[in-house]
Amino acid sequence: EPEVTQTPSHQVTQMGQEVILRCVPISNHLYFYWYRQILGQKVEFLVSFYNNEISEKSEIFDDQFSVERPDGSNFTLKIRSTKLEDSAMYFCATTPQQNQPQHFGDGTRLSIL
Amino acid sequence: RKEVEQDPGPFNVPEGATVAFNCTYSNSASQSFFWYRQDCRKEPKLLMSVYSSGNEDGRFTAQLNRASQYISLLIRDSKLSDSATYLCVVDRDNYGQNFVFGPGTRLSVLP
Repeated sequence: EPEVTQTPSHQVTQMGQEVILRCVPISNHLYFYWYRQILGQKVEFLVSFYNNEISEKSEIFDDQFSVERPDGSNFTLKIRSTKLEDSAMYFCATTPQQNQPQHFGDGTRLSIL
Repeated sequence: RKEVEQDPGPFNVPEGATVAFNCTYSNSASQSFFWYRQDCRKEPKLLMSVYSSGNEDGRFTAQLNRASQYISLLIRDSKLSDSATYLCVVDRDNYGQNFVFGPGTRLSVLP
């Protein structure tokens, strides 16, 4: 079964540094999403992306965050000037169409020191 | 009222028991509803979509009550492998690109 692939599985970064999290969507999927889950808390929507632009974003997704799909394969989440509270699991998800169930990657654990 | 609320749990049940989870949502315009399960420190995995007429997949039955803005999941003949956190997921608007996850209900099936 096709999978959403995320790299790295674990990223440790000093506070204030920039990080880029990568996701390879399932090949025929057109809608892409990023979520985060702080340890012990619920999964939170960050952003949805379709046709090379952001469709929707949450209040969490401020100027510190950006997404792009630079080469038609990787879908990336960039976090500038990381803060301690950015420590979380970040999940990428994709769907072939809107309103369809999302397929999740196995996540990147981001630890900010 | 929170956007999506679920039974607080945890539910500890013996193998073979039937267990039901409830979920309420606040946005009457929501159109898409799903149940996911999440194992500890893993990604959410789709369990089933929830359709207006209710639907069943093996031991799992999902129901939707739009008037009460309520979704349920019933697990029959529970197995040890059903132990997980069950997440109710609802679209925030009817464009299907912004989904709200409930806080989850943890289930432990005991031998």
